[in-house]
Formats: sequence, C-alpha cells, structure tokens
Amino acid sequence: GENVEQHPSTLSVQEGDSAVIKCTYSDSASNYFPWYKQELGKRPQLIIDIRSNVGEKKDQRIAVTLNKTAKHFSLHITETQPEDSAVYFCAASTDLIGFGNEKLTFGTGTRLTIIP
Amino acid sequence: GAGVSQTPSNKVTEKGKYVELRCDPISGHTALYWYRQSLGQGPEFLIYFQGTGAADDSGLPNDRFFAVRPEGSVSTLKIQRTERGDSAVYLCASSLTPLDRILMNTEAFFGQGTRLTVV
Repeated sequence: GENVEQHPSTLSVQEGDSAVIKCTYSDSASNYFPWYKQELGKRPQLIIDIRSNVGEKKDQRIAVTLNKTAKHFSLHITETQPEDSAVYFCAASTDLIGFGNEKLTFGTGTRLTIIP
Repeated sequence: GAGVSQTPSNKVTEKGKYVELRCDPISGHTALYWYRQSLGQGPEFLIYFQGTGAADDSGLPNDRFFAVRPEGSVSTLKIQRTERGDSAVYLCASSLTPLDRILMNTEAFFGQGTRLTVV
C-alpha cells in the first residue's frame, strides 16, 4: 500500500518568513495530493491540493509543487502570519474516475509555529 | 446541515464495552469515509462507503470494528469489546463522487470527530 513520509515534524519560522514542508510517497499510481491544516482540537481542513497532471499550484500565500518522477511534493507558505500556526498534514490517494478508491494516506504531520 | 456532523463529540467507555459513533455527512455527498487519528499522528484510513456499500474496508484493524450506512447517508461506526488501544479521535469525512469531484474540484470535508477514550 501507499506510504507517505513527511518532514520536518516540527518547524518554527519567524513571522514574515517562508515555511516549506516536504512529503514523499511510495505508490506511483497516486495522483491526488491534498494538504490539510489542523488547529488544536479542530477538524482537518483542506488548504490546497494538486493532481498529477500539473507540477505546481498556487493560491495566494500558499503553493504546492509536485515532482512525479521523484515522488515528492512540497507545501510552501510565504509571508507567514501567526494564524498559520497549526499542524499540517500531506496526503496521497489514487483517484480513479468513476471507481472511487479514494482513501487518503496521510503523513505524520508537521507542527508549524510562527514566531511573532 | 452545513457540514459533516459527528456525535457524540466525546465518549468515555470501559474496556470491553460496545460503542457506536455516528456520522451525518453533507447532504448530497455520496462518498463517506471513516478515519482514526491517534495523538500526534495523521488520520489513518478505516473504511470508505460509496452510497450504501463499503467500497473499501481494508483499513478496519480487526473484526471488532464494523461500519454501516444503510440508507446511503448517515453512517455508524461500531466497535465491540473495546480495548484501551482503541482510544483515539474518530473522524468522518464526506465528498461528492469521484467524477463530480474532478469536474467540480471539490474535496473531502471532515467532521469535528468523536474523541473515544477507553478506560
């Protein structure tokens, strides 16, 4: 089955600086890679996702890059703000049109702390 | 409702007891997932329903765990003879069908979870 590894496990960044979180996956059939943000005691919330037919996607201060050959993808947060502090999870799945099988395999999470 | 609703939010039970956890997905979402999240870990897949049927139950850890979705909306996760190792947050998520998701670019929405503590 799929195995997703995530690094680093903790990350402290000065407010205004950039943060990068990296994940690798094992199953070359995986084609959908979402990133979730989870604040303490709250539900995971999707912040950005990317499919295997593109290499990069950006949404304001957040971007995700995907390298299918190397089987790794990264989350980039620029101009970090205190409200970015949370645990971030990457995930991978095989999204087959019309067939489902969409179980997400999550990484172990990165606790991001933004230092004011 | 506006989002995925899970009840109860917290459940404390004694070792060996039976528990049921409920998930109300977003109206119209045909896909429903159960995940388990232990402290400091990422969510771990348990089971996935497409409509009323379990499309993938490969994540259920053993036969003490069972889930149903009889009418294709509400789902119940059932745990028999609970053990202390079952203690975790049980998350439910729902989404549109795979084809709808790709066309509409929507995602799986998570509920707040049920925190199960087995003492």
